[in-house]
Amino acid sequence: AQSVTQPDIHITVSEGASLELRCNYSYGATPYLFWYVQSPGQGLQLLLKYFSGDTLVQGIKGFEAEFKRSQSSFNLRKPSVHWSDAAEYFCAVGATLSRSARQLTFGSGTQLTVLP
Amino acid sequence: DAGVTQSPTHLIKTRGQHVTLRCSPISGHKSVSWYQQVLGQGPQFIFQYYEKEERGRGNFPDRFSARQFPNYSSELNVNALLLGDSALYLCASSVGLAGEQFFGPGTRLTVL
Repeated sequence: AQSVTQPDIHITVSEGASLELRCNYSYGATPYLFWYVQSPGQGLQLLLKYFSGDTLVQGIKGFEAEFKRSQSSFNLRKPSVHWSDAAEYFCAVGATLSRSARQLTFGSGTQLTVLP
Repeated sequence: DAGVTQSPTHLIKTRGQHVTLRCSPISGHKSVSWYQQVLGQGPQFIFQYYEKEERGRGNFPDRFSARQFPNYSSELNVNALLLGDSALYLCASSVGLAGEQFFGPGTRLTVL
């Protein structure tokens, strides 16, 4: 069965500082990987996704992530954090079930606090 | 274009009651998935429906059921509510089974 680990429950950075959120996954086949962001009381917004090809993927709001197969990791980065980036971030792996259904398995999330 | 919509926004029930949550997908999307997000955790997959058929089911008891209608909207039903069913229930739609999933704002269910 697939699983996702986000080792950091809570991260605090100053506005303008760089950011890296860690994600490790376990999946037997080629993974489909995602990063979502969730603001308080809101649903999930997709930041970026990896299906195949270039292992460095660009997303919205200046985020990028790098897929490293050898480390089973898909870390999210941003060179300069803005106060509006404060939210909870979820890494997810997309697994194909029988009959081609697609299940997303999420990590437990990393809460990001941005200091002024 | 409208995104995924869910109703109601909030709901309070007591143990043993039944609840129905509703989801309208993005126009043109034929697949709907349901997820449960308990406070402090990531979402957990409950069901995926495509063309009115259940195509995937997560590790949830039979008290949880769902259906999809001809217009591709969906209902999630939970019977015999337990305190542990208190959560944010998220609906996601996609064009097909394997497409990118777009999430709605969720329904916050509180069971007292």
